[in-house]
Amino acid sequence: DAGITQSPRHKVTETGTPVTLRCHQTENHRYMYWYRQDPGHGLRLIHYSYGVKDTDKGEVSDGYSVSRSKTEDFLLTLESATSSQTSVYFCAIAGAANTEAFFGQGTRLTVV
Amino acid sequence: KNQVEQSPQSLIILEGKNCTLQCNYTVSPFSNLRWYKQDTGRGPVSLTIMTFSENTKSNGRYTATLDADTKQSSLHITASQLSDSASYICVVISMDSNYQLIWGAGTKLIIKP
Repeated sequence: DAGITQSPRHKVTETGTPVTLRCHQTENHRYMYWYRQDPGHGLRLIHYSYGVKDTDKGEVSDGYSVSRSKTEDFLLTLESATSSQTSVYFCAIAGAANTEAFFGQGTRLTVV
Repeated sequence: KNQVEQSPQSLIILEGKNCTLQCNYTVSPFSNLRWYKQDTGRGPVSLTIMTFSENTKSNGRYTATLDADTKQSSLHITASQLSDSASYICVVISMDSNYQLIWGAGTKLIIKP
């Protein structure tokens, strides 16, 4: 999977608790993305990063924050998880904005 | 509004048969179009990438076509195999907003023996 590791792979958490998902890459790619995938929807971009400490919002960023303190790590934080954030989360990396994106295995998050 | 629509939503065919999946888009300005294959429980994997000047691109038994004038693309799968069972997702890259990826909802393909 192009040197991308997502952790954890599965998580069940309670409403109102903070949750952090981690994406780690070994490809030294500049761009990193967080998507969520829900039934009946295409992948939806939450946040992305175009360099260390450089991040921007995607189309569904409300309730999520991100951080990128190193090239290889991109963290997604749900400050106070809600049931609507139950989803499968995918991290992706790309060398440039218009080049091929490689995806991680996904993290299945359930908020109860 | 930038949109990507795929049809059919799902498709069941017998092993060995051919099939064609459709993708219509309204994304402008257009950078490139990609087809991804997503197996159940896994992340998407790229099959083809086409720029506006490319009409056809093949990857083994997968052949993608692009008509930039009508804003349509298709993915043709030849001699289907059981391992082709997956979701196939069309993605169009807009030149706006730092090359934003606009994702279709996918076509779920089931190959039956």
